[in-house]
Amino acid sequence: KAGVTQTPRYLIKTRGQQVTLSCSPISGHRSVSWYQQTPGQGLQFLFEYFSETQRNKGNFPGRFSGRQFSNSRSEMNVSTLELGDSALYLCASSLDRDRGRSSGNTIYFGEGSWLTVV
Amino acid sequence: QKEVEQNSGPLSVPEGAIASLNCTYSDRGSQSFFWYRQYSGKSPELIMSIYSNGDKEDGRFTAQLNKASQYVSLLIRDSQPSDSATYLCAVNLFTSGTYKYIFGTGTRLKVLA
Repeated sequence: KAGVTQTPRYLIKTRGQQVTLSCSPISGHRSVSWYQQTPGQGLQFLFEYFSETQRNKGNFPGRFSGRQFSNSRSEMNVSTLELGDSALYLCASSLDRDRGRSSGNTIYFGEGSWLTVV
Repeated sequence: QKEVEQNSGPLSVPEGAIASLNCTYSDRGSQSFFWYRQYSGKSPELIMSIYSNGDKEDGRFTAQLNKASQYVSLLIRDSQPSDSATYLCAVNLFTSGTYKYIFGTGTRLKVLA
Protein backbone atom coordinates (compact mmCIF):
# COMPACT_ATOMS: atom_id res chain seq x y z
CA LYS A 1 0.00 0.00 0.00
CA ALA A 2 1.53 3.29 -1.06
CA GLY A 3 2.20 5.86 1.61
CA VAL A 4 1.58 9.57 1.58
CA THR A 5 3.25 11.14 -1.43
CA GLN A 6 4.42 14.72 -1.50
CA THR A 7 5.78 16.71 -4.40
CA PRO A 8 8.09 18.39 -4.97
CA ARG A 9 10.57 17.11 -2.41
CA TYR A 10 12.94 20.05 -2.62
CA LEU A 11 12.53 23.53 -3.96
CA ILE A 12 14.16 26.92 -3.78
CA LYS A 13 12.13 30.08 -4.22
CA THR A 14 12.82 33.78 -4.08
CA ARG A 15 11.20 36.16 -1.63
CA GLY A 16 7.91 37.45 -2.96
CA GLN A 17 7.23 34.41 -5.13
CA GLN A 18 4.49 31.90 -4.46
CA VAL A 19 4.69 28.14 -4.16
CA THR A 20 2.26 25.24 -4.45
CA LEU A 21 2.91 21.92 -2.75
CA SER A 22 1.01 18.74 -3.52
CA CYS A 23 0.01 15.77 -1.40
CA SER A 24 -1.57 12.44 -2.30
CA PRO A 25 -2.87 10.64 0.78
CA ILE A 26 -2.83 6.94 1.49
CA SER A 27 -5.52 5.22 -0.55
CA GLY A 28 -8.82 5.38 1.30
CA HIS A 29 -7.75 8.18 3.62
CA ARG A 30 -10.07 11.15 3.51
CA SER A 31 -8.42 13.52 5.96
CA VAL A 32 -5.34 15.47 4.97
CA SER A 33 -3.42 17.76 7.32
CA TRP A 34 -0.52 20.07 6.67
CA TYR A 35 2.25 20.98 9.08
CA GLN A 36 5.22 23.30 9.01
CA GLN A 37 8.36 22.17 10.79
CA THR A 38 11.27 24.43 11.62
CA PRO A 39 14.13 23.83 14.06
CA GLY A 40 12.97 26.58 16.38
CA GLN A 41 9.20 26.01 16.35
CA GLY A 42 8.80 22.29 15.96
CA LEU A 43 5.70 20.95 14.23
CA GLN A 44 3.12 23.65 13.65
CA PHE A 45 -0.35 22.77 12.39
CA LEU A 46 -1.42 24.63 9.28
CA PHE A 47 -4.81 23.20 8.32
CA GLU A 48 -6.83 20.05 7.85
CA TYR A 49 -9.15 19.07 5.05
CA PHE A 50 -11.83 16.44 5.00
CA SER A 51 -14.20 15.79 2.11
CA GLU A 52 -12.94 18.89 0.29
CA THR A 53 -13.74 21.13 3.27
CA GLN A 54 -11.32 22.83 5.59
CA ARG A 55 -12.18 21.42 8.98
CA ASN A 56 -9.44 23.01 11.09
CA LYS A 57 -7.00 25.84 10.70
CA GLY A 58 -3.89 26.78 12.64
CA ASN A 59 -2.53 30.21 13.44
CA PHE A 60 -0.88 31.11 10.18
CA PRO A 61 -1.39 34.23 8.07
CA GLY A 62 -3.70 34.26 5.09
CA ARG A 63 -0.72 33.82 2.76
CA PHE A 64 -1.01 30.14 3.59
CA SER A 65 -3.93 28.43 1.95
CA GLY A 66 -4.93 24.98 0.87
CA ARG A 67 -7.56 22.91 -0.79
CA GLN A 68 -8.62 19.34 -1.22
CA PHE A 69 -9.94 17.68 -4.33
CA SER A 70 -12.66 15.07 -4.70
CA ASN A 71 -10.04 12.29 -4.84
CA SER A 72 -8.70 13.49 -1.45
CA ARG A 73 -5.50 14.83 -2.97
CA SER A 74 -4.55 18.16 -1.45
CA GLU A 75 -2.50 21.19 -2.30
CA MET A 76 -1.20 24.00 -0.18
CA ASN A 77 -0.12 27.38 -1.46
CA VAL A 78 2.05 30.03 0.09
CA SER A 79 1.97 33.44 -1.55
CA THR A 80 4.40 36.31 -1.18
CA LEU A 81 7.09 34.11 0.28
CA GLU A 82 9.20 35.37 3.15
CA LEU A 83 12.58 34.13 4.36
CA GLY A 84 10.89 32.78 7.48
CA ASP A 85 8.77 30.45 5.38
CA SER A 86 11.82 28.27 4.81
CA ALA A 87 10.85 24.98 6.41
CA LEU A 88 9.93 21.37 5.96
CA TYR A 89 6.26 21.16 4.96
CA LEU A 90 4.66 17.91 5.94
CA CYS A 91 1.44 16.41 4.76
CA ALA A 92 -0.29 13.74 6.82
CA SER A 93 -3.32 11.63 6.08
CA SER A 94 -5.75 9.58 8.13
CA LEU A 95 -8.99 7.74 7.59
CA ASP A 96 -10.74 10.42 9.58
CA ARG A 97 -8.92 12.45 12.15
CA ASP A 98 -12.19 13.46 13.76
CA ARG A 99 -12.44 10.29 15.78
CA GLY A 100 -11.59 10.11 19.42
CA ARG A 101 -10.31 6.73 20.42
CA SER A 102 -10.32 5.03 17.10
CA SER A 103 -7.30 3.91 15.17
CA GLY A 104 -8.92 5.75 12.29
CA ASN A 105 -7.59 8.99 13.70
CA THR A 106 -3.95 7.97 13.41
CA ILE A 107 -2.08 10.25 11.04
CA TYR A 108 0.72 9.15 8.74
CA PHE A 109 3.22 11.57 7.33
CA GLY A 110 4.64 11.94 3.87
CA GLU A 111 8.34 12.53 3.31
CA GLY A 112 7.81 16.27 3.21
CA SER A 113 8.69 19.13 0.94
CA TRP A 114 11.78 21.10 1.82
CA LEU A 115 11.26 24.74 0.93
CA THR A 116 14.11 27.21 0.95
CA VAL A 117 13.33 30.89 0.41
CA VAL A 118 16.26 33.07 -0.62
CA GLN B 1 1.51 25.93 30.01
CA LYS B 2 2.23 24.03 26.83
CA GLU B 3 -0.39 21.49 25.87
CA VAL B 4 2.14 18.71 25.32
CA GLU B 5 5.50 18.88 27.03
CA GLN B 6 8.63 16.86 26.48
CA ASN B 7 12.17 17.25 27.70
CA SER B 8 14.18 18.30 24.65
CA GLY B 9 17.20 16.28 25.70
CA PRO B 10 19.50 15.00 24.45
CA LEU B 11 18.90 11.84 26.39
CA SER B 12 22.02 9.70 26.14
CA VAL B 13 21.89 5.99 26.91
CA PRO B 14 24.45 3.24 26.28
CA GLU B 15 23.73 0.56 23.72
CA GLY B 16 21.65 -2.24 25.20
CA ALA B 17 20.13 -0.09 27.93
CA ILE B 18 16.51 0.94 28.37
CA ALA B 19 15.65 4.41 27.12
CA SER B 20 12.75 6.09 28.87
CA LEU B 21 11.02 9.01 27.17
CA ASN B 22 8.33 10.99 28.92
CA CYS B 23 5.54 13.29 27.86
CA THR B 24 2.94 15.20 29.84
CA TYR B 25 -0.22 16.79 28.53
CA SER B 26 -2.45 19.42 29.98
CA ASP B 27 -5.92 18.67 28.59
CA ARG B 28 -7.88 15.90 30.29
CA GLY B 29 -10.02 15.71 27.15
CA SER B 30 -7.11 14.04 25.34
CA GLN B 31 -8.33 10.73 24.05
CA SER B 32 -5.57 9.13 22.05
CA PHE B 33 -1.81 9.28 22.28
CA PHE B 34 0.97 8.65 19.83
CA TRP B 35 4.72 8.34 19.61
CA TYR B 36 6.54 9.25 16.42
CA ARG B 37 10.21 8.81 15.63
CA GLN B 38 11.96 11.35 13.42
CA TYR B 39 15.43 10.86 12.08
CA SER B 40 17.39 13.96 11.17
CA GLY B 41 16.26 15.27 7.81
CA LYS B 42 13.36 12.83 7.60
CA SER B 43 9.66 12.96 8.31
CA PRO B 44 8.01 11.59 11.48
CA GLU B 45 7.25 7.89 11.50
CA LEU B 46 4.56 6.36 13.72
CA ILE B 47 5.89 3.99 16.37
CA MET B 48 3.00 3.43 18.75
CA SER B 49 -0.51 4.54 19.52
CA ILE B 50 -2.24 4.03 22.87
CA TYR B 51 -5.77 4.80 23.94
CA SER B 52 -6.29 3.17 27.36
CA ASN B 53 -4.50 3.36 30.68
CA GLY B 54 -1.72 0.86 31.12
CA ASP B 55 1.01 -0.57 28.95
CA LYS B 56 1.08 -1.47 25.30
CA GLU B 57 4.01 -3.44 23.97
CA ASP B 58 5.26 -3.78 20.41
CA GLY B 59 8.61 -5.47 20.01
CA ARG B 60 11.26 -3.48 21.86
CA PHE B 61 8.85 -0.59 22.42
CA THR B 62 6.41 -0.16 25.29
CA ALA B 63 4.04 2.77 25.59
CA GLN B 64 2.62 3.57 29.00
CA LEU B 65 -0.40 5.78 29.62
CA ASN B 66 -1.53 7.21 32.94
CA LYS B 67 -4.52 9.49 32.40
CA ALA B 68 -4.87 10.35 36.09
CA SER B 69 -1.37 11.81 36.10
CA GLN B 70 -1.65 13.00 32.51
CA TYR B 71 1.51 11.46 31.22
CA VAL B 72 2.49 9.03 28.54
CA SER B 73 5.89 7.42 28.22
CA LEU B 74 7.81 5.34 25.75
CA LEU B 75 10.31 2.70 26.81
CA ILE B 76 12.82 1.36 24.34
CA ARG B 77 14.45 -1.86 25.48
CA ASP B 78 17.84 -3.02 24.26
CA SER B 79 18.50 0.41 22.72
CA GLN B 80 20.49 0.40 19.50
CA PRO B 81 22.48 3.20 17.85
CA SER B 82 19.85 3.09 15.09
CA ASP B 83 17.29 4.26 17.67
CA SER B 84 19.09 7.61 17.84
CA ALA B 85 16.47 10.08 16.68
CA THR B 86 14.00 12.65 17.93
CA TYR B 87 10.86 11.17 19.48
CA LEU B 88 7.67 13.18 19.20
CA CYS B 89 4.73 12.73 21.51
CA ALA B 90 1.30 13.63 20.15
CA VAL B 91 -2.19 13.72 21.62
CA ASN B 92 -5.55 13.89 19.93
CA LEU B 93 -8.03 15.90 21.96
CA PHE B 94 -11.54 17.12 21.48
CA THR B 95 -11.82 20.86 21.75
CA SER B 96 -14.02 23.57 20.27
CA GLY B 97 -16.21 21.00 18.60
CA THR B 98 -13.51 19.11 16.78
CA TYR B 99 -10.45 17.01 17.32
CA LYS B 100 -6.98 18.52 17.37
CA TYR B 101 -3.68 16.73 17.04
CA ILE B 102 -1.09 18.39 19.28
CA PHE B 103 2.61 17.58 19.10
CA GLY B 104 5.30 18.05 21.67
CA THR B 105 8.60 19.54 20.58
CA GLY B 106 10.33 16.18 20.83
CA THR B 107 13.08 14.51 22.84
CA ARG B 108 16.38 13.84 21.12
CA LEU B 109 17.69 10.38 21.97
CA LYS B 110 21.34 9.39 21.51
CA VAL B 111 22.27 5.75 21.89
CA LEU B 112 26.00 5.41 22.46
CA ALA B 113 27.76 2.43 20.92
